[in-house]
Amino acid sequence: RKEVEQDPGPFNVPEGATVAFNCTYSNSASQSFFWYRQDCRKEPKLLMSVYSSGNEDGRFTAQLNRASQYISLLIRDSKLGDSATYLCVVIAGGTSYGKLTFGQGTILTVHP
Amino acid sequence: ETGVTQSPTHLIKTRGQQVTLRCSSQSGHNTVSWYQQALGQGPQFIFQYYREEENGRGNFPPRFSGLQFPNYSSELNVNALELDDSALYLCASSQRTGTDTQYFGPGTRLTVL
Repeated sequence: RKEVEQDPGPFNVPEGATVAFNCTYSNSASQSFFWYRQDCRKEPKLLMSVYSSGNEDGRFTAQLNRASQYISLLIRDSKLGDSATYLCVVIAGGTSYGKLTFGQGTILTVHP
Repeated sequence: ETGVTQSPTHLIKTRGQQVTLRCSSQSGHNTVSWYQQALGQGPQFIFQYYREEENGRGNFPPRFSGLQFPNYSSELNVNALELDDSALYLCASSQRTGTDTQYFGPGTRLTVL
């Protein structure tokens, strides 16, 4: 079983749609959780950290369920510029050095 | 931009050759991590350097090695290149090791023929 698993998609949605991505992780001792965004042939960029209480940044909402080892990202009112690959990222437990463990990414395409 | 730079941008090598990739960390950051991203996959952790010492290593063979210099820039060396080493190589710097946010450079795209 992979340490971090995501539905690879692709998700094709019209502008204005709401889309949700899910991610599961296998290590129950995982410490920190993030969503990164990666544009085609570019480096990953931090989108947001994910907290147990849930957090929101504009149109983006992230949720963490530690009991189910599940992370989600909700994008409301999708824009063309949201088209990218969204990477679920976990800092696994048992290490002190902050090794980022990535899911394979979910491809989102927003069309007019 | 993150302030993390990598060179070269692209590189083509043949099987069996050796390659050195370079990374300059963001000012004030003492930790550099290296990742390999194959096409269609998420990045995979290679290793991390903290204050010039290897501070953690992923599931990569010993022919992947690295260095960190006193100015905290870093090199990734790969010996005896294989076709499967073709990938985007990313470095990320952070202010400290642990759970500090990691900022990625633009990557080096390596093609092994």
